[in-house]
Amino acid sequence: AQSVAQPEDQVNVAEGNPLTVKCTYSVSGNPYLFWYVQYPNRGLQFLLKYITGDNLVKGSYGFEAEFNKSQTSFHLKKPSALVSDSALYFCAVNSGAGSYQLTFGKGTKLSVIP
Amino acid sequence: EAQVTQNPRYLITVTGKKLTVTCSQNMNHEYMSWYRQDPGLGLRQIYYSMNVEVTDKGDVPEGYKVSRKEKRNFPLILESPSPNQTSLYFCASSLELAVYNEQFFGPGTRLTVL
Repeated sequence: AQSVAQPEDQVNVAEGNPLTVKCTYSVSGNPYLFWYVQYPNRGLQFLLKYITGDNLVKGSYGFEAEFNKSQTSFHLKKPSALVSDSALYFCAVNSGAGSYQLTFGKGTKLSVIP
Repeated sequence: EAQVTQNPRYLITVTGKKLTVTCSQNMNHEYMSWYRQDPGLGLRQIYYSMNVEVTDKGDVPEGYKVSRKEKRNFPLILESPSPNQTSLYFCASSLELAVYNEQFFGPGTRLTVL
């Protein structure tokens, strides 16, 4: 079975400050990890993914994420937050072991305060 | 423009009245999937399809049906809707298997069952 946890329902950060949105996962094999963002009244948009290789993954809009196998984490980061980054962020995992399912976390609402 | 479309975008119906939510993609994607989004629960997968005539259950398939007769279309059918199916529904597609490829999401269908 595969699962993903986003321990924070909401994260508040001041504009210009660095932001981190946390994600931990549980899979039986090697994970395939994704971050998606959902702006109000919109569908989800892909931000970045980790499949293999470099543990630091860079994605859209200046976001990056670090894969940490020992801590089973895949935290989303950005050096300097913008008000326009305010949205709902979802982490997702696939075990890759012949699984065709993508399991999403419950989401973290990011609010960037001007 | 590459996109996933869903219709209707909003629907209010009554218990037991059969309904279909359509989903169509113009990217020639093999993989398509349906999710429901509920507050505090994130996205949960209902059904997915790896290709034409190939479908499988996700995490919450009860009360739903799907079909994949054409590559571009993946309708979601509620034979006898109940109030607990009130939710925000998203269709998504991706090239080949979702394991490796990011999913493209439709704009969502907000369903209310009275």
